[in-house]
Amino acid sequence: RKEVEQDPGPFNVPEGATVAFNCTYSNSASQSFFWYRQDCRKEPKLLMSVYSSGNEDGRFTAQLNRASQYISLLIRDSKLSDSATYLCVVTGYGGSQGNLIFGKGTKLSVKP
Amino acid sequence: DTAVSQTPKYLVTQMGNDKSIKCEQNLGHDTMYWYKQDSKKFLKIMFSYNNKELIINETVPNRFSPKSPDKAHLNLHINSLELGDSAVYFCASSSRDGLDYGYTFGSGTRLTVV
Repeated sequence: RKEVEQDPGPFNVPEGATVAFNCTYSNSASQSFFWYRQDCRKEPKLLMSVYSSGNEDGRFTAQLNRASQYISLLIRDSKLSDSATYLCVVTGYGGSQGNLIFGKGTKLSVKP
Repeated sequence: DTAVSQTPKYLVTQMGNDKSIKCEQNLGHDTMYWYKQDSKKFLKIMFSYNNKELIINETVPNRFSPKSPDKAHLNLHINSLELGDSAVYFCASSSRDGLDYGYTFGSGTRLTVV
């Protein structure tokens, strides 16, 4: 089983749509979880951290289910500028000096 | 000011050559990393340094040698380049609490070996 698995893409949605991405991870010792965004030919940028209680940042909502080792990202009222690849990221090891394990990403394309 | 800067941005070189990629961060972070993103867009860690000490060394050919002269710099030297080394190499840095706040990435070095 891969360490971080994401929905196969691409997702092609119209502007204003709600879209959800899912991710599962294999390491039950993972302590921190993130969603990153990567635009074409650019570096990954942190979109948001994911907390056990769930968290929201504007149109973006992230959820974590530790028991199922499952993470989700919901984007409401999608904009053209949301078009990018979304990377699910978890820590590889416990402690303060672990590293981040990236999923392969799900490509989102928002159309007018 | 760029937080994590890498040079060069593009690198085209012949098989068998030796090349270096430089990375500098001005964020005061303790930990720096090298990641490789291959043609399938899979981003995988290569090395991690904390205060100039090697912390993580994933299964990477020993042709790749990281060097950290101080905690603000982490360079990557590659000997005897091979076609399969073609990829985008990203440098990143984090504070000791990077696992809470994530990493800051450089803009990447696109290496093409011909």
